[in-house]
Amino acid sequence: DGGITQSPKYLFRKEGQNVTLSCEQNLNHDAMYWYRQDPGQGLRLIYYSQIVNDFQKGDIAEGYSVSREKKESFPLTVTSAQKNPTAFYLCASSLNLGGRDTQYFGPGTRLTVL
Amino acid sequence: QKEVEQDPGPLSVPEGAIVSLNCTYSNSAFQYFMWYRQYSRKGPELLMYTYSSGNKEDGRFTAQVDKSSKYISLFIRDSQPSDSATYLCAMIVLSGGSYIPTFGRGTSLIVHP
Repeated sequence: DGGITQSPKYLFRKEGQNVTLSCEQNLNHDAMYWYRQDPGQGLRLIYYSQIVNDFQKGDIAEGYSVSREKKESFPLTVTSAQKNPTAFYLCASSLNLGGRDTQYFGPGTRLTVL
Repeated sequence: QKEVEQDPGPLSVPEGAIVSLNCTYSNSAFQYFMWYRQYSRKGPELLMYTYSSGNKEDGRFTAQVDKSSKYISLFIRDSQPSDSATYLCAMIVLSGGSYIPTFGRGTSLIVHP
């Protein structure tokens, strides 16, 4: 899992509630990413950030929001607008944005909507 | 059609077998190719990384890229039960000044004793 921590490991949410997933890295990486993984779907990019106070939408950003106020932190908020939020959420970081640099993944957070 | 196609399996093999995992892709602009291993309920970890056609070997693992056929493979020699995991291929293309990774669906591998 490298130097990336995600919390909590398991999260349960009632419908209509917003929840925030934590992602912290101590690798001094510039870029951070959020992915969603569903069974048989692989990893789908939600948001990514190359530098502090800047982030870009990925392929499935609707219903999610992020912030990047500190280099080491990239929290993801799953809003009530996300219609099917139950999934495994993975945070990753890299020294630069993709390319020759390796992405390091956190251990993931499994979100279940009750 | 997805940009990256990967058979989800499961692929079941006996211990000691040679395993071949494959991905095809449609975007000829992909420049970098990676294989990740993901154990159940864990984050993926990078196994192999390459950016040119040909073979790259690391211990029991060999990554093969054929850009002309848009096809990449991961071979595992002398497979072990501990190799049982989901293997994800990933590819990167330069997009708008940023490198955006695209992942395959993952292939579930089961190595039985």
